[in-house]
Amino acid sequence: DAGITQSPRHKVTETGTPVTLRCHQTENHRYMYWYRQDPGHGLRLIHYSYGVKDTDKGEVSDGYSVSRSKTEDFLLTLESATSSQTSVYFCAISETGEGYEQYFGPGTRLTVT
Amino acid sequence: KNQVEQSPQSLIILEGKNCTLQCNYTVSPFSNLRWYKQDTGRGPVSLTIMTFSENTKSNGRYTATLDADTKQSSLHITASQLSDSASYICVVKRNNAGNMLTFGGGTRLMVKP
Repeated sequence: DAGITQSPRHKVTETGTPVTLRCHQTENHRYMYWYRQDPGHGLRLIHYSYGVKDTDKGEVSDGYSVSRSKTEDFLLTLESATSSQTSVYFCAISETGEGYEQYFGPGTRLTVT
Repeated sequence: KNQVEQSPQSLIILEGKNCTLQCNYTVSPFSNLRWYKQDTGRGPVSLTIMTFSENTKSNGRYTATLDADTKQSSLHITASQLSDSASYICVVKRNNAGNMLTFGGGTRLMVKP
């Protein structure tokens, strides 16, 4: 998985609780991304980062926030988890801004009950 | 609306047989198209990336074709193996869209002995 780890790999949480997912890379790539994958939908971009402290929204950013204080770490936070946020979350990295080649992490399966 | 549609949704073939997966897109303006393989419980892994000027690209037993005029792509798998069992995802990047990729819903392939 191209030097990308995600933690936790599985999590079950209750509606209304905060949740933070972590993505860690050892490739020193500038760009990092958070996606969610749901049945019947392709992967959808939540947020991405183009450098330390530089982030931008994707197409499904409502209810999510991100932070990147170090090149290697990109955090995704659900401030108050809802059942609609039950999904598999993938982190990806790329060296260039054009996203020419994105490398994906192993994913985190999140269940909100 | 920028969309990527894949067919069939699922496919079962016998080991050793060939198969072709289809991808139609309406993403415009077009930058490049990529095919990813996603094993169960893993993140997607890139197979091929094709730009506007490329009609065919091979990666071992995988051959992707692109017709930018009709906005269609196919992924042909030759002499299938059990390890080819996975989801295959077509992804299109729009020109001047920064880091936004449009993902298809994938074709789930099962290769049986």
